[in-house]
Amino acid sequence: EVQLVQSGAEVKKPGESLKISCKGSGYSFTSYWIGWVRQMPGKGLEWMGIIYPADSDTTYSPSFQGQVTISADKSISTAYLQWSSLKASDTAMYYCARRSMVEDFDYWGQGTLVTVSS
Amino acid sequence: QSVLTQPPSVSGAPGQRVTISCTGSSSNIGAGYDVHWYQQLPGTAPKLLIYGNNNRPSGVPDRFSGSKSGTSASLAITGLQAEDEADYYCQSYDSSLSGPRFGGGTKLTVL
Repeated sequence: EVQLVQSGAEVKKPGESLKISCKGSGYSFTSYWIGWVRQMPGKGLEWMGIIYPADSDTTYSPSFQGQVTISADKSISTAYLQWSSLKASDTAMYYCARRSMVEDFDYWGQGTLVTVSS
Repeated sequence: QSVLTQPPSVSGAPGQRVTISCTGSSSNIGAGYDVHWYQQLPGTAPKLLIYGNNNRPSGVPDRFSGSKSGTSASLAITGLQAEDEADYYCQSYDSSLSGPRFGGGTKLTVL
């Protein structure tokens, strides 16, 4: 069974750093791209970026380029999303999702809620 | 503008048929890229509902169907059920993003 399991909810202060994770199982982790999607409170889905774990080839949405870093450790089948300095506006639910061969997102993680507040 | 436009809300009574539109542009749907649809039930992660314009993943009822024409796509739901009340999102590749673009989402209310 394909599963993407994300790390737990985080509460941080503005200016702090954060790295959240997404662990894949039940499939060949290095054969599929993993994307990250933001959902701000009460809002829609926004694509942030995508990584190919086999070689860490990464593409960012222009809206998120320079704001976050996406990485992966193929040895432990885990993708990461990190911030060096959080802002209140980063408060959102973050989902990882596997991109299929036809470029849909066929499996999703359960989401990680990030709350940034002083 | 390179966006995917969906109606903010649609509604229907149980048993009825509803459609949700997704209007794109020449950088996404109009360029021939496939459209995919997701269902997000309250408080849960999105779930793939339709892929490749009109294909259903295993386990998705045949009450759900998709179509695409020109720069637009549609999701149709027949025999509406209370459990279909959710947010629905379209998605397509967008060459201006060099990546996927989501529609703004449509909230379906079952009356």
